[in-house]
Amino acid sequence: QKEVEQNSGPLSVPEGAIASLNCTYSDRGSQSFFWYRQYSGKSPELIMSIYSNGDKEDGRFTAQLNKASQYVSLLIRDSQPSDSATYLCAVRRTGGGADGLTFGKGTHLIIQP
Amino acid sequence: EAGVAQSPRYKIIEKRQSVAFWCNPISGHATLYWYQQILGQGPKLLIQFQNNGVVDDSQLPKDRFSAERLKGVDSTLKIQPAKLEDSAVYLCASSAITEAFFGQGTRLTVV
Repeated sequence: QKEVEQNSGPLSVPEGAIASLNCTYSDRGSQSFFWYRQYSGKSPELIMSIYSNGDKEDGRFTAQLNKASQYVSLLIRDSQPSDSATYLCAVRRTGGGADGLTFGKGTHLIIQP
Repeated sequence: EAGVAQSPRYKIIEKRQSVAFWCNPISGHATLYWYQQILGQGPKLLIQFQNNGVVDDSQLPKDRFSAERLKGVDSTLKIQPAKLEDSAVYLCASSAITEAFFGQGTRLTVV
């Protein structure tokens, strides 16, 4: 059974600090990895995608992927109160056919002013 | 570019009643997904369509849930009869190639 594991938190980080969110997955056939942000009562919003080992940076966000360790992380630099949300890690086995996302339960992040 | 549209936003029904949700994907997106998100959990895939064909419905409770995507555009998800444990947010997402984008969801409460 495919599983995606995240620490549910809450993870509390001071404003301006770096928030580090982690995710592990069990399906070695996973090829695409995503981070979604979900505010309370809202739908998931895609913030980062990563497909190959290493780091991918986009503004204050950096996604890191290590396929050998089956590990994905998201770093948020200069954390702002508006970053307070639940962050969902999602993985996908691509290559045609069934390719729906498998989500973790999410990490609740709180940025303290 | 318009996003994924869903309706209704909220629905309250009694158990054993039926309910239907509607989704209009982003224009040009061939792939459409329905997810169920129970409070405190991540979204769980129910069904995936590629154009108007079903690609994956392995996690759809077929005794009570059904879905269709006529003409490869809009989709409806139906629950009949509803159970208390069906209370959740039902999310529709669409994808062109790799990235999936979600609609605002329909919050269903079964009482």
